[in-house]
Formats: sequence, C-alpha cells, structure tokens
Amino acid sequence: QSALTQPASVSGSPGQSITISCTGTSSDVGSYNLVSWYQQHPGKAPKLMIYEVSKRPSGVSNRFSGSKSGNTASLTISGLQAEDEADYYCCSYAGSVVFGGGTKLTVL
Amino acid sequence: QVQLQESGPGLVKPSQTLSLTCTVSGGSISSGGYYWSWIRQHPGKGLEWIGYIYYSGSTYYNPSLKSRVTISVDTSKNQFSLKLSSVTAADTAVYYCARGVEWLGYFDYWGQGTLVTVSS
Repeated sequence: QSALTQPASVSGSPGQSITISCTGTSSDVGSYNLVSWYQQHPGKAPKLMIYEVSKRPSGVSNRFSGSKSGNTASLTISGLQAEDEADYYCCSYAGSVVFGGGTKLTVL
Repeated sequence: QVQLQESGPGLVKPSQTLSLTCTVSGGSISSGGYYWSWIRQHPGKGLEWIGYIYYSGSTYYNPSLKSRVTISVDTSKNQFSLKLSSVTAADTAVYYCARGVEWLGYFDYWGQGTLVTVSS
C-alpha cells in the first residue's frame, strides 16, 4: 500500500481559506467514505479533526470542513488563525489503514 | 475521558525486539467497538500505521511490517502491546498507541507517543 499524496506545504494569511488535497486510489480513498484528517503540532500527538470525509468531532471548530470527489479528499480551513499552523495528515481506511505524507500549513 | 499511555524501553539494540505496552484508562478494551492500534512516526516524517488488534485478539498488520510485528491484548490489565522484531536504525521513531473506531477506521484517542531509538 502506498501513502496517500498530499502537498508538502500550503500557506495562507490570517482570515483566508486554504484547502489541502489528499489523493489516493479506487482501492482506498475512492472505495469508501472513510477518510479522516489529523492535526499535529510540533512535539504533540495527532488530533482528530475530520472523520468519515466530512464529520467534525465535538469540540472541533466549524472552520474545518472536509469533502471528497472520486479518489481525492480535501480539507478546507476557513478564517485561518495562527493556531492552525501545524502539520495535517489524511488517512483512509479500507480494512487496512494508510496515511498521507502530511502537509505543513504555514500561517503567514 | 479515554486516555492511552505508552510505556517501554527508549533504547533498543539492533537485531533485538522492540516491546511497547499501551495502558488504557477511562474505558474498557473489552467493551468492543474499537480497534487498538499502533502507529509510528519517523523523525521529521509522516505517520505510518503498524497494525491493530480487536479485543477478541483478531489482528491486522501493515503488509510492509507484517513479518516482524506482533500485537497482543491483555484485557485483564486493559493493555495492549507491540513487539517488533529484528529492529534496525530504520525503526527509530516515535511510537503512538491509538483507539480506532471499528468499521469506520478513524483514530479518536491517542497516547502522547514514546520515542524509541535503535542504536548499539
């Protein structure tokens, strides 16, 4: 199984919106609506931000949203804030688990 | 509130077996509905799923690590464990235990992670 493909980095200014893509195949991302997204600050454990493509856990800001089209899932963060600066990972579950390579978000 | 805590040696010699335990509190492994998972992160790199175990003992491993990995569960202690054999420097990583939701595959609770260095 190969890692899902994410851009290495994205950036945006406070208040702007950014989107991080996550591309897989018909065997993972495209097979089920079981894509999740994690936020990881330096030295910290990952935190669940989105599950089942577009659902938000309790306590996660509604500035975070997810979607999927075909073999590509996306995470959108609107109204960027300084504390959103972190690494973001997508994850697909189809019996087996595969993560994306991660995207570093810089808030300018 | 579910909490997970990894424990085990921080230094392992090459060719030996890495052994880690994850202790779960605030919830019972035996209650079902979850996959108890190990995930690692090489220094400065992304996340890599190692495998998971169900409370019944059923396991599923990353095919790339399957020949060296054993995950077991001790429901009496509310713990699950990882053994990775024949380690090399390439196994140096932060190892996380996490709770995965059955059939939905997302990880809702994570341990803080523990760095394991493989070196002589």
